[in-house]
Amino acid sequence: QKEVEQNSGPLSVPEGAIASLNCTYSDRVSQSFFWYRQYSGKSPELIMSIYSNGDKEDGRFTAQLNKASQYVSLLIRDSQPSDSATYLCAVNMGGSQGNLIFGKGTKLSVKP
Amino acid sequence: DTAVSQTPKYLVTQMGNDKSIKCEQNLGHDTMYWYKQDSKKFLKIMFSYNNKELIINETVPNRFSPKSPDKAHLNLHINSLELGDSAVYFCASSPSSTTTNEKLFFGSGTQLSVL
Repeated sequence: QKEVEQNSGPLSVPEGAIASLNCTYSDRVSQSFFWYRQYSGKSPELIMSIYSNGDKEDGRFTAQLNKASQYVSLLIRDSQPSDSATYLCAVNMGGSQGNLIFGKGTKLSVKP
Repeated sequence: DTAVSQTPKYLVTQMGNDKSIKCEQNLGHDTMYWYKQDSKKFLKIMFSYNNKELIINETVPNRFSPKSPDKAHLNLHINSLELGDSAVYFCASSPSSTTTNEKLFFGSGTQLSVL
């Protein structure tokens, strides 16, 4: 069974701190990795994608991928209360776009 | 204009009833999806259609039947609703089903409550 694992949290960090969200996946042939943010009662929205090993930075967000360890993470620098949401890790395990497997999400709470 | 729109936003119904959820995208995408998000926030794919053709049909009960009259629409019909069907159902679209790097655009969700 292909799986994506995340710590459900809640992860609580003070405003201005770095929030670190982690995700592991089971299928070695996975090719594409995504982080979606979902506010309570809203739909998921894509915030980062990463396809090769290493770091990818976009503003305050950094995605890190280590295919050998089957591990992908999301760092949020200078965390803001508006970052409080559930972060869903999604992994495309080959084949069509529809083979996107989501983790159960990590709930992040940024305290002012 | 909303890119992916689904109706209704809320649906409350009795067990045993039949209901439909409609979805439309105006992005010109080829591929549309239905996802189910349960009370624990676990988001799982149900169906995927590419240009009106079914390409993914995960293990869901036969009571769930998707219908795509054209590539801009993907509706979900549910027969004989059960308590366990209560969840949020998200419609989504992507430009293509064959490219793995493309993002999904989600609709706002339909909160289904079966009483």
